[in-house]
Amino acid sequence: AQSVAQPEDQVNVAEGNPLTVKCTYSVSGNPYLFWYVQYPNRGLQFLLKYITGDNLVKGSYGFEAEFNKSQTSFHLKKPSALVSDSALYFCAVRDMGGGYQKVTFGTGTKLQVIP
Amino acid sequence: DGGITQSPKYLFRKEGQNVTLSCEQNLNHDAMYWYRQDPGQGLRLIYYSQIVNDFQKGDIAEGYSVSREKKESFPLTVTSAQKNPTAFYPCASSGQGAVGANVLTFGAGSRLTVL
Repeated sequence: AQSVAQPEDQVNVAEGNPLTVKCTYSVSGNPYLFWYVQYPNRGLQFLLKYITGDNLVKGSYGFEAEFNKSQTSFHLKKPSALVSDSALYFCAVRDMGGGYQKVTFGTGTKLQVIP
Repeated sequence: DGGITQSPKYLFRKEGQNVTLSCEQNLNHDAMYWYRQDPGQGLRLIYYSQIVNDFQKGDIAEGYSVSREKKESFPLTVTSAQKNPTAFYPCASSGQGAVGANVLTFGAGSRLTVL
């Protein structure tokens, strides 16, 4: 069975400071990894993904994430936080194995950027 | 613009009533999904469909039913058998291919409240 853990329910960061939202995963094979964001009263939006290749993945709105196979982590980062980054962030994983593989989501981390 | 349209955005239901949530996409995606989102629990998969006239149960299918008569449409019925239906229901779709099949596109969601 595959799983995702987001250990922090909420992360608070001052505007202009770097931010990190943590994610660890567990799959039997090699993973596809994703970050999605949900702004207040909006649907989820895709931010970035890791499929293969470079461990550092760049996505929308200046976000990036680093795949660390040994630590089974895929933390989301941004060098300088904006108030508009305040939202709910979900990490997700899919096993690369053949056939249909469902996506498993974490419980979400609320990011609060303080002006 | 291509996307996913969900309706209604807000729905109130009395106990014992069935309700149907609409999900329509014009992205020409083959696969469609229904999730349930509860605070602190992330997204849980209710049903998914990889092709017209075929669908499979997800992790929490009890008390729900779906149909997939057209590629564009994947309605979800919340039946009276669902004991705790108050939740936010996002619908999603995904395309074909190594890239397209991995990213979910979400609708804005439907919020169901049982009175």
